[in-house]
Amino acid sequence: ILNVEQSPQSLHVQEGDSTNFTCSFPSSNFYALHWYRWETAKSPEALFVMTLNGDEKKKGRISATLNTKEGYSYLYIKGSQPEDSATYLCAWLDYNQGGKLIFGQGTELSVKP
Amino acid sequence: DTAVSQTPKYLVTQMGNDKSIKCEQNLGHDTMYWYKQDSKKFLKIMFSYNNKELIINETVPNRFSPKSPDKAHLNLHINSLELGDSAVYFCASSPRTGPTLYEQYFGPGTRLTVT
Repeated sequence: ILNVEQSPQSLHVQEGDSTNFTCSFPSSNFYALHWYRWETAKSPEALFVMTLNGDEKKKGRISATLNTKEGYSYLYIKGSQPEDSATYLCAWLDYNQGGKLIFGQGTELSVKP
Repeated sequence: DTAVSQTPKYLVTQMGNDKSIKCEQNLGHDTMYWYKQDSKKFLKIMFSYNNKELIINETVPNRFSPKSPDKAHLNLHINSLELGDSAVYFCASSPRTGPTLYEQYFGPGTRLTVT
């Protein structure tokens, strides 16, 4: 069974706090890891697609790192704002199954003003 | 302009009925997907089509039948609806398949309620 796990499941922070959460995935046969941001009542939107061990990607105050050998990725948000409140999903690419994404259950972030 | 659109947004129907959900993308992408958001809020792949060809068919009851009339459309038809089919169904597209190095673009979802 190929599992993608995210922790914590939920996180409550104050505006201005920096935060991070983890995505764990199978370390064998790695092709790509995706991060998506999913606001309530909207569709998931892609943040990053990461492919190389040691990759670091950044978009504004959000950044992500990737360790394919040990099978984890971190997502960091610097100086959280209320508009960052959303569920953050990671998804591991299972290429042996026709290129399907296996999603984690998400980390639900709530940022209080 | 909506990149990936789904209709209807909400669908309430009775057990045993047959219903369809439509998906269209105007991004010129080759690959389209159907996902089901289960009761634990996991997104799980159901089907994937690349240029009208089925490439992923997960363990889904054969009451679910996808149809892709052209690469911009992927519809989902469900026969003999059951209570357990109640869920939110998301359509998505990406530029191409193979190693999915390309992000996926999701539609707004269709909330199906079977009574």
